[in-house]
Amino acid sequence: AQKITQTQPGMFVQEKEAVTLDCTYDTSDPSYGLFWYKQPSSGEMIFLIYQGSYDQQNATEGRYSLNFQKARKSANLVISASQLGDSAMYFCAMREGNTGGFKTIFGAGTRLFVKA
Amino acid sequence: EAQVTQNPRYLITVTGKKLTVTCSQNMNHEYMSWYRQDPGLGLRQIYYSMNVEVTDKGDVPEGYKVSRKEKRNFPLILESPSPNQTSLYFCASSHGQTMTSYNEQFFGPGTRLTVL
Repeated sequence: AQKITQTQPGMFVQEKEAVTLDCTYDTSDPSYGLFWYKQPSSGEMIFLIYQGSYDQQNATEGRYSLNFQKARKSANLVISASQLGDSAMYFCAMREGNTGGFKTIFGAGTRLFVKA
Repeated sequence: EAQVTQNPRYLITVTGKKLTVTCSQNMNHEYMSWYRQDPGLGLRQIYYSMNVEVTDKGDVPEGYKVSRKEKRNFPLILESPSPNQTSLYFCASSHGQTMTSYNEQFFGPGTRLTVL
């Protein structure tokens, strides 16, 4: 069964430093997509980055990059040069393309605190 | 402005009183979905729809109904709400035909439901 695991309930990082948020997944479908979303205290869900299972390169979007290790089934989010505005809840999600019928599952989330 | 709208944003009701939460998107998206968010559990998918008249169960469909009669609308119906359905509900939409970053889900602002 498909599953997303985020093992870090909370993390602290110093402003301007880089931080890695962990995400491991489990699926038997060869076609899937991995997503990261940010949820600030205001509650909205903000899309950050996407990685497809067939993508050869790790995805990058500005200060966000996805460290995709397919054999280990991990899709860690790296935030470079952390800013105070990065303090939020971060969710890893997966959508299976073939057998999953485009069902989407989310991890439990990691709350990131950026210290000044 | 491209957006997903949900109404109401906040609702307090009593056990057994039928309610509907509306969701509408103006991006001509094929895929729409409902999630509930509970502390420590992340987002869990309730139902999703690949297109008009096509709906499927997510991970937690019990106690909920949906319909997709028009492409833009995807209402969530609670026929007989119970206290364990107290939660934050999100509607989301995306293009749904291919497994690419095109599948980014756009989320509504959320509906906070309390069932007494």
